[in-house]
Amino acid sequence: AQKVTQAQTEISVVEKEDVTLDCVYETRDTTYYLFWYKQPPSGELVFLIRRNSFDEQNEISGRYSWNFQKSTSSFNFTITASQVVDSAVYFCALVGGNTGGFKTIFGAGTRLFVKA
Amino acid sequence: GAVVSQHPSWVICKSGTSVKIECRSLDFQATTMFWYRQFPKQSLMLMATSNEGSKATYEQGVEKDKFLINHASLTLSTLTVTSAHPEDSSFYICSARQGTYNEQFFGPGTRLTVL
Repeated sequence: AQKVTQAQTEISVVEKEDVTLDCVYETRDTTYYLFWYKQPPSGELVFLIRRNSFDEQNEISGRYSWNFQKSTSSFNFTITASQVVDSAVYFCALVGGNTGGFKTIFGAGTRLFVKA
Repeated sequence: GAVVSQHPSWVICKSGTSVKIECRSLDFQATTMFWYRQFPKQSLMLMATSNEGSKATYEQGVEKDKFLINHASLTLSTLTVTSAHPEDSSFYICSARQGTYNEQFFGPGTRLTVL
C-alpha cells in the first residue's frame, strides 16, 4: 500500500524563524516521485518541487530546501527565515509506479501559520 | 508553471439541479486530468482520473452516475454533479498532468453550495 504521512497538523511560528515540515512515505515501488504543493488561503494548489526516487540530492530554492532520505523514507521541507506569506497548507505527495497505479497520494497536509 | 483554469469559481444552486464544472489546461496538453473534492481543513480526496477519449476511472465510494466526468480533448475535462444535494456542497479541484510522473497543475477550485 502507498501512504504519505504528515504528522504535523498545524505549526505556528514567528516571522524569521526556520520551520521544517515533515513527510514520511510508504511504497513498494522502486521507482516513484515525491512532491510538495502549497495551498494558500485562496485555495489554489501550487507545485513546489518534484524528486525521483533515484535522486537523493538535497535541493535548495531560495528560502526553501528539501531533504530526501530513502533510508528513513522521508522527504522533509524546510523554510528558512519564514515570512507571513508562507502561511498556507503544505501537502506532501507521492506518485508510485505499478503497485500504486500511478496515482498521486496526498498527505493530510500541514497548516503553517507565520505570525508577524 | 503551466496554467489550469476552472470555471465557475463558485456556484450556488438549488437541491435537485445539475451543475457542470469545466477544467482546462491552457498551455499544455494534459494526458490525464484528475478531479478532487476537499472538505474544510482536510486533504484532497481523489474522486476520479480521466484520460482523454476514454472513460473515467472512479475511486471507490464515488458514484459515477452522480459525478459525470467527460474528457473530450487533451485540454478540457468536465465534471457534472447531477441532482445535487446539500451534502454535495464542497470545494472541487481539478488538476492536469502530462505524462505519468510529472507534477500536477491544479485549477483554482470551484466552491459548490447546494441549498
